[in-house]
Amino acid sequence: AAGVIQSPRHLIKEKRETATLKCYPIPRHDTVYWYQQGPGQDPQFLISFYEKMQSDKGSIPDRFSAQQFSDYHSELNMSSLELGDSALYFCASSRGLGQPQHFGDGTRLSIL
Amino acid sequence: EDKVVQSPLSLVVHEGDTVTLNCSYEVTNFRSLLWYKQEKKAPTFLFMLTSSGIEKKSGRLSSILDKKELFSILNITATQTGDSAIYLCAGINTGGFKTIFGAGTRLFVKA
Repeated sequence: AAGVIQSPRHLIKEKRETATLKCYPIPRHDTVYWYQQGPGQDPQFLISFYEKMQSDKGSIPDRFSAQQFSDYHSELNMSSLELGDSALYFCASSRGLGQPQHFGDGTRLSIL
Repeated sequence: EDKVVQSPLSLVVHEGDTVTLNCSYEVTNFRSLLWYKQEKKAPTFLFMLTSSGIEKKSGRLSSILDKKELFSILNITATQTGDSAIYLCAGINTGGFKTIFGAGTRLFVKA
């Protein structure tokens, strides 16, 4: 069965650079969630989209922005990267309101 | 502030043992509680619990929600080494879009 696809799998950037992470949800899933998971930590909710509109916002820094496109894929844009942004970034998708979220394998972002 | 607290933080058992993992929550406009298993990569979905007192079961795993006392438990019977993982629980609000994760319980099953 098709799963959530995230790209790239790994990304290495330097401080103050920008990065764009992409997420392709499971077909027919209309809701996308972004999470940041630091080493040994639980996933922290960043932001979610439902039907291409931002639906909720968590601990997402102002330096980050995201959107969901007409084909339901989503992109997380990160600017002025800091060392503390190094983490595993997960995208999850669900079909409809409050339904089980299915996670992608994540993008590991390393800031040098 | 919304929070989800899991206990114990870590647990070491022998194959064949039964374990109970705990999750308590304080989530504004609570809707559902989810359990996930995380091994090396992405969390994989186990259960979603919305109604109180109804046990959900999948093989050796089962879970139940108590909305009055604001907690859930995940039981694993006849544990196997493949059950070794971090088990995460998460609360979802009524809007359905905000998910609060607990810190997880790290389970290690010895052969």
